Amino acid sequence: DAKTTQPTSMDCAEGRAANLPCNHSTISGNEYVYWYRQIHSQGPQYIIHGLKNNETNEMASLIITEDRKSSTLILPHATLRDTAVYYCIVRVRQGGKLIFGQGTELSVKP
Amino acid sequence: GAVVSQHPSWVICKSGTSVKIECRSLDFQATTMFWYRQFPKQSLMLMATSNEGSKATYEQGVEKDKFLINHASLTLSTLTVTSAHPEDSSFYICSFFARDSYEQYFGPGTRLTVT
Repeated sequence: DAKTTQPTSMDCAEGRAANLPCNHSTISGNEYVYWYRQIHSQGPQYIIHGLKNNETNEMASLIITEDRKSSTLILPHATLRDTAVYYCIVRVRQGGKLIFGQGTELSVKP
Repeated sequence: GAVVSQHPSWVICKSGTSVKIECRSLDFQATTMFWYRQFPKQSLMLMATSNEGSKATYEQGVEKDKFLINHASLTLSTLTVTSAHPEDSSFYICSFFARDSYEQYFGPGTRLTVT
């Protein structure tokens, strides 16, 4: 599985958009970009995934660059409950393992 | 979203004893399941992968005789930590790969403390 790099930590003001970047320059053509988050002492929670098109759901938007070497997760209106570690992972959709890197620790502040 | 349960949510045991952690998918059937562990302030580390009815495949450095995995059905898997030692104290998280949606869902985790 390709590796990803993310900033170690980020801060965001409550109510503002949180933009979390991820680099995956060695991504293969059949690998998807997945985002999960982990709130302290809980299991990871699925957020969103995409292959090459931008995706949006009720939680977030995922913007993938045209060359697919990087992506950005956008939380449009961050709340205090969005404080968590966010993981960007690439893997094949069928049967690939989710290998977690260090993620980005997002702190949403009042 | 899909629901995965783990039991117990936390357990304290004495060194040398064995502990079993149960993981169930409540509303979907899983082809593959994964066990992770997480030490404080670290990321999740994949321990093993198993398919229903097959033996588990362990990641490098994970002792298969110490961490026994039983994937008994499409909705149930157990992890048994045998002869637990204090260094096995960790947060253990199971995860199911759903056969229909190809998505992976995680349990809430089990906090194991070995004294």
